[in-house]
Amino acid sequence: QLQLQESGPGLVKPSETLSLSCTVSGGSLNSSSFYWGWIRQPPGRRLEWIGVIHYGGSTDHNPSLKSRITMSVDTSKDQFSLKLNSVTAADTAIYYCARDDSGAFDIWGQGIMVTVS
Amino acid sequence: IVMTQSPDSLAVSLGERATINCKSSQSLLYNSNNKNYLAWYQQKAGQPPKLLIYWASTRESGVPDRFSGSGSGTDFTLTISSLQAEDVALYYCQQYYNSRTFGQGTKVEIK
Repeated sequence: QLQLQESGPGLVKPSETLSLSCTVSGGSLNSSSFYWGWIRQPPGRRLEWIGVIHYGGSTDHNPSLKSRITMSVDTSKDQFSLKLNSVTAADTAIYYCARDDSGAFDIWGQGIMVTVS
Repeated sequence: IVMTQSPDSLAVSLGERATINCKSSQSLLYNSNNKNYLAWYQQKAGQPPKLLIYWASTRESGVPDRFSGSGSGTDFTLTISSLQAEDVALYYCQQYYNSRTFGQGTKVEIK
């Protein structure tokens, strides 16, 4: 059964870069059928889509975050990653990674709380 | 595309019907395949969201049949036909017609 697990620091200083990874287990990242995505949820607020990446490297990003985002994939490790630069307190959130099946997110990681302070 | 859910919260008696509405700022119907690019999720406290419905009305494998999705174009509905205690959660709609955006969520509680 496919599982996703986020990893990274739980505390980031303002103006620095938030870096997270998502490890895929029980399956492979190497599938042309899926994209792999990031979604965040600030405390008490709605889910916000960050972006998606295909194992081949193509990406799509939330326009409001696009200039600050870098996404990458490492198929040898079955990992994909997110970097968000110039963070502020507004970037404090639970960050989820998920599998994107034709646009709907069908498998999610447990999420990682990241605080900017 | 802006997604707006109503109501923000609702309280329903056990065994009664719960209805959540979702409106998109533009049509989510792709004419070439006649599919509506809309999904519904359930998020219980302290857990990640769980996909319930995709293509507006297709139930994800393992989801109880008391959950159903309907609607087309810009107006969609998630119905829980007979509310169970384990259905207490936040429910979100999400469009994937143009990038992806979520509604603000609807909190379902027991009356």
